[in-house]
Amino acid sequence: GENVEQHPSTLSVQEGDSAVIKCTYSDSASNYFPWYKQELGKGPQLIIDIRSNVGEKKDQRIAVTLNKTAKHFSLHITETQPEDSAVYFCAASGGSGNQFYFGTGTSLTVIP
Amino acid sequence: DAGVIQSPRHEVTEMGQEVTLRCKPISGHDYLFWYRQTMMRGLELLIYFNNNVPIDDSGMPEDRFSAKMPNASFSTLKIQPSEPRDSAVYFCASSLAGGPSDTQYFGPGTRLTVL
Repeated sequence: GENVEQHPSTLSVQEGDSAVIKCTYSDSASNYFPWYKQELGKGPQLIIDIRSNVGEKKDQRIAVTLNKTAKHFSLHITETQPEDSAVYFCAASGGSGNQFYFGTGTSLTVIP
Repeated sequence: DAGVIQSPRHEVTEMGQEVTLRCKPISGHDYLFWYRQTMMRGLELLIYFNNNVPIDDSGMPEDRFSAKMPNASFSTLKIQPSEPRDSAVYFCASSLAGGPSDTQYFGPGTRLTVL
């Protein structure tokens, strides 16, 4: 099956700085890569996703890049704000089976 | 739409008791997923349904766990008997078409504590 690795596990940045979270996957058949944000006491919420026919996607301060050859994808948050503090999960799917394979999460803290 | 609805939000029970977690998926979504989240193991898929039929239950940890989906708007995850190691947050998610490239929408979760 698919194996998704996520780094770093924790990340602290100053407000206004950028944050980057990286994930790698093992199944070259995977073709869908969503990113979820989980705030304390809540369920994961989709913030952005990318499909394998696209190399980059941007939504305001959030962007995701995908390198199919290297099998890695990254989340970029610019101009970070305290409300960006949360746990972020990457996932991969589209290979064998219908399930999502999640990374282990990155706890992001934005310091005011 | 109200999103995925789960109940209860918190459950505290004693070892050996039966626990039933409930989920209402987003209307029109054909796929429903049950996940468990712990610090040690992260997000684990337990089971998922397509059109009320269980498709893959390979993630269900033991026979003590069972899940049903009697209709398109309701699913249950039951643990009987419960054990302290079952303590976790259980999430339900649903997706429209359920393909591997289809977005999953998560509920708020049920935090289960087994004493």
